Amino acid sequence: SQELEQSPQSLIVQEGKNLTINCTSSKTLYGLYWYKQKYGEGLIFLMMLQKGGEEKSHEKITAKLDEKKQQSSLHITASQPSHAGIYLCGAEQGAQKLVFGQGTRLTINP
Amino acid sequence: EAGVVQSPRYKIIEKKQPVAFWCNPISGHNTLYWYLQNLGQGPELLIRYENEEAVDDSQLPKDRFSAERLKGVDSTLKIQPAELGDSAVYLCASSFGDARQQYFGPGTRLTVT
Repeated sequence: SQELEQSPQSLIVQEGKNLTINCTSSKTLYGLYWYKQKYGEGLIFLMMLQKGGEEKSHEKITAKLDEKKQQSSLHITASQPSHAGIYLCGAEQGAQKLVFGQGTRLTINP
Repeated sequence: EAGVVQSPRYKIIEKKQPVAFWCNPISGHNTLYWYLQNLGQGPELLIRYENEEAVDDSQLPKDRFSAERLKGVDSTLKIQPAELGDSAVYLCASSFGDARQQYFGPGTRLTVT
């Protein structure tokens, strides 16, 4: 079965700094999702990537899928307190089934 | 448009007691998912429904867990009897047709003492 490894597991950055979270898959990724979760809340969809080399941006968050489709990165530019939370990557494993990484906990210090 | 609704949001029970969680998906969404999320981990699929039919329940521990989705709308997940290791967040999600994006509810945080 497919396994996703996220790194780092936790990250503390100063407000205004840039950061990157990585998601590495044991198998080829055919659909890679990024979600954000705040404590006590559900997952909020951020972006979905499908094609090798694809890159998507929304506000200050950019996600990329590498050419070999086994790794994705999530980059936040000029971080803000509102970016704090847990970031999860999820991979499609068959029809409408998602397998998730263990998550990266992001803390933004003012 | 209302999102996925779950209740209760929090539940504390003693081990060996039964517990049930309820989920109301987004209107019109025919696919419904129940996930288990342990502390510090990503969600893991327990069961997926297409309308009333459970099409993937391979990860559901059937000795103590059961689920139903009557009329293909709301769903209930039950644990009987609960064990200490069942303490976790139970997430419900829904999607529409062949769309791949899943919409998640806020979850139910279960604590078994």
